[in-house]
Amino acid sequence: QEHLQESGPGLVKPSETLSLTCTVSGASISTDYWSWIRQPPGKGLEWIGYIYYSGNTNYNPSLKSRVTISVDTSKKQFSLKLSSVTAADTAVYFCARIIPLSGAFDMWGQGTKVTVSS
Amino acid sequence: SSELTQDPAVSVALGQTVRITCQGDRLRNYYASWYQQKPGQAPVLVFHGKNNRPSGIPDRFSGSSSGNTASLTITGAQAEDEADYYCNSRDSTPTLWVFGGGTKLTVL
Repeated sequence: QEHLQESGPGLVKPSETLSLTCTVSGASISTDYWSWIRQPPGKGLEWIGYIYYSGNTNYNPSLKSRVTISVDTSKKQFSLKLSSVTAADTAVYFCARIIPLSGAFDMWGQGTKVTVSS
Repeated sequence: SSELTQDPAVSVALGQTVRITCQGDRLRNYYASWYQQKPGQAPVLVFHGKNNRPSGIPDRFSGSSSGNTASLTITGAQAEDEADYYCNSRDSTPTLWVFGGGTKLTVL
């Protein structure tokens, strides 16, 4: 059964780096495109960035200077790092798989809540 | 990046048909995808591409597109369809994506 699971700290201090990992189960990380998406409390979805198993990435221009997405195919994981966080980065963070042809996100993790606070 | 615009809220009577729309320049080049999100849950893909409904999604959900507007139609809305609905598409390049602001659907 295909499954994505996010993991990482639920609390991050302002100015520090948020680090999350998404573990892929039941699907091949080496044939698909993967993405991170977030949702601030009570707000809509915001696309953060994507990665291909080869390491190709692209990021939301509004976050590009602070975001790094990487992949570890041996562990079937891809990761998100967001630096210099502020309270505005408090959100539920989702990882998702992308269907290459249509660009749709067809499989999502359950999401992990990250709060930025001292 | 460009924007995708959705009506913040829409309501429909039980069993009636409702159309949720998404507008944006990128929709002239790329198809929209549609997601249903219920409180406390991850979004679920309900329609994508020209005419693709994922396995397990009821056939009362359908999508269409014309010019810069994409639409998700629910024919015979059910109580369980009450949720937030988001559209998204590729943006200025095939590896950039953008989401609409979401539409809260109320089934009366």
